[in-house]
Amino acid sequence: NAGVTQTPKFQVLKTGQSMTLQCAQDMNHNSMYWYRQDPGMGLRLIYYSASEGTTDKGEVPNGYNVSRLNKREFSLRLESAAPSQTSVYFCASSVQAGGPGAKNIQYFGAGTRLSVL
Amino acid sequence: GDSVTQMEGPVTLSEEAFLTINCTYTATGYPSLFWYVQYPGEGLQLLLKATKADDKGSNKGFEATYRKETTSFHLEKGSVQVSDSAVYFCALSYSLGGGSNYKLTFGKGTLLTVNP
Repeated sequence: NAGVTQTPKFQVLKTGQSMTLQCAQDMNHNSMYWYRQDPGMGLRLIYYSASEGTTDKGEVPNGYNVSRLNKREFSLRLESAAPSQTSVYFCASSVQAGGPGAKNIQYFGAGTRLSVL
Repeated sequence: GDSVTQMEGPVTLSEEAFLTINCTYTATGYPSLFWYVQYPGEGLQLLLKATKADDKGSNKGFEATYRKETTSFHLEKGSVQVSDSAVYFCALSYSLGGGSNYKLTFGKGTLLTVNP
């Protein structure tokens, strides 16, 4: 009954350090997403992967890279962290990206709270 | 471009009060509409959805009706409980047949606090 699992839950970085946020889902979903949540901004899409082997930029991709490692896992990498990347990061998955009915409903992980000093 | 505008918070109510959180959208075409809820320290969960005009989504006593004429999807509950305290997000997505033609756009969120 795990759903979408994100690690770590909390992280503090210094400016210029790199790190990878991990995300895994056990629902056999095709599509996965990374969002950032900032006060007063709602959620903004960073990158998404409509299916295994594909990735696409979202609204705010600069400073990030992603890897769809396999169907289950979708990681987000910060190569050189900046204070502007202090945020809460959410991973989500859905049966598919777009399409009618319930298949595009997204399921979210609990988030990673990242602070960049 | 597409956008979702929802009522700025925070909203503070007493238990058993009536709740309305307004949501309007701007989009070309015919999006699906969603309300997600985020409880403290957790990720977002789907609360309810509607996929076409005049559809009513409902769950846990919450309701919202897809109004194409007013481009609105207001969230309502007749009697709120302390356990409803959370952040509520209105969102829209396009149903374009899947693949890479996908976008889910969120409003900024509304913090609801319900006092006993």
